[in-house]
Amino acid sequence: AQKVTQAQTEISVVEKEDVTLDCVYETRDTTYYLFWYKQPPSGELVFLIRRNSFDEQNEISGRYSWNFQKSTSSFNFTITASQVVDSAVYFCALSERSGNTPLVFGKGTRLSVIA
Amino acid sequence: NAGVTQTPKFQVLKTGQSMTLQCAQDMNHNSMYWYRQDPGMGLRLIYYSASEGTTDKGEVPNGYNVSRLNKREFSLRLESAAPSQTSVYFCASRFPGIRSGNTIYFGEGSWLTVV
Repeated sequence: AQKVTQAQTEISVVEKEDVTLDCVYETRDTTYYLFWYKQPPSGELVFLIRRNSFDEQNEISGRYSWNFQKSTSSFNFTITASQVVDSAVYFCALSERSGNTPLVFGKGTRLSVIA
Repeated sequence: NAGVTQTPKFQVLKTGQSMTLQCAQDMNHNSMYWYRQDPGMGLRLIYYSASEGTTDKGEVPNGYNVSRLNKREFSLRLESAAPSQTSVYFCASRFPGIRSGNTIYFGEGSWLTVV
């Protein structure tokens, strides 16, 4: 069965600090997809990134970067030079090979960036 | 392009009342989902519909029913609301497959309170 663990429930950082959000997953499939979503205080779920299991390249998008390591079943998310607007709950999610398999979410990490 | 639209956004129900949450997507997606979000629990799948005409139970289906009315619409019904169903409900959809990357898109959420 698939499972996503986000061990960090809450993190507080001071503005401009770097912060890494951890995500560990479990799956029996060799083909799967990993996702990160952001939920700001307004409540909507914003898609950030998707990563396929056959593509272990790390990705950088502005201040955001993602480190995918199949050897440790981890898909960590780093925010560089954090800003107050980064304050949100961040969810990691996993979908197995079958396109009809629903996403399984971690419980989320609440990030507070203090000015 | 509206994406995923769900109504109502806010609702207060009395215990025992029934109601239906409506969801529609205009992205021609095959699969649709209903999740609930509770503090500290992340998003948990209630029901999903892999394609028009099919529905399947998720992790927490008790107390709910669903209808996949057509390809666009997927409704969630609470037949006899209970305080334990106080939650934020998210509808979502996606076009499964490697090309689309299995990305799931969410509606804005429906805040339901049962008193």
